[in-house]
Amino acid sequence: DAKTTQPPSMDCAEGRAANLPCNHSTISGNEYVYWYRQIHSQGPQYIIHGLKNNETNEMASLIITEDRKSSTLILPHATLRDTAVYYCIVRVFSGNTPLVFGKGTRLSVIA
Amino acid sequence: EADIYQTPRYLVIGTGKKITLECSQTMGHDKMYWYQQDPGMELHLIHYSYGVNSTEKGDLSSESTVSRIRTEHFPLTLESARPSHTSQYLCASSRGLEKLFFGSGTQLSVL
Repeated sequence: DAKTTQPPSMDCAEGRAANLPCNHSTISGNEYVYWYRQIHSQGPQYIIHGLKNNETNEMASLIITEDRKSSTLILPHATLRDTAVYYCIVRVFSGNTPLVFGKGTRLSVIA
Repeated sequence: EADIYQTPRYLVIGTGKKITLECSQTMGHDKMYWYQQDPGMELHLIHYSYGVNSTEKGDLSSESTVSRIRTEHFPLTLESARPSHTSQYLCASSRGLEKLFFGSGTQLSVL
């Protein structure tokens, strides 16, 4: 699976959009981008995934660049409850190995 | 909503004791996982199972063992607990390999 690089931490004002970047410059054609988040002391929660088209669901939007070397997770109106560690994971869809979580980005939403 | 349960939520135990951490899911998922996480650190995969009577070791070496006799149940056992086993243990399940559902975790403290 391709390696990802995320900033260790970010701040966002409550009510503003939170834009979390992820670099995956070695991504291959059959690898998807997955996002999870982990709120303090809870298990991680799946957010969204995509291959090359932008994706949106009730939680967030995922924007993948045309060359697929980077992506951005967007929380359109961040709330205090969005404070969490966000993990960007790249892997082949239905590969044989379990998900591996890296260090992620610690997002702090500030009132 | 995910239906995956871990018990106990917290466990404080003395060195040398045998312990079993329970994990059950009611979603009929074939795949189940155990991750270990120290405070502020990354999640590490320690065991996984893709079906009944199938178990594999994860990326992080662990002295724990697991069993998968029933689809819905994936207990983790430490034969002789040590202070170095103090950590949070998170159980997860999935139908495919991408969208994992996590339990609330067991916080283990070995004195």
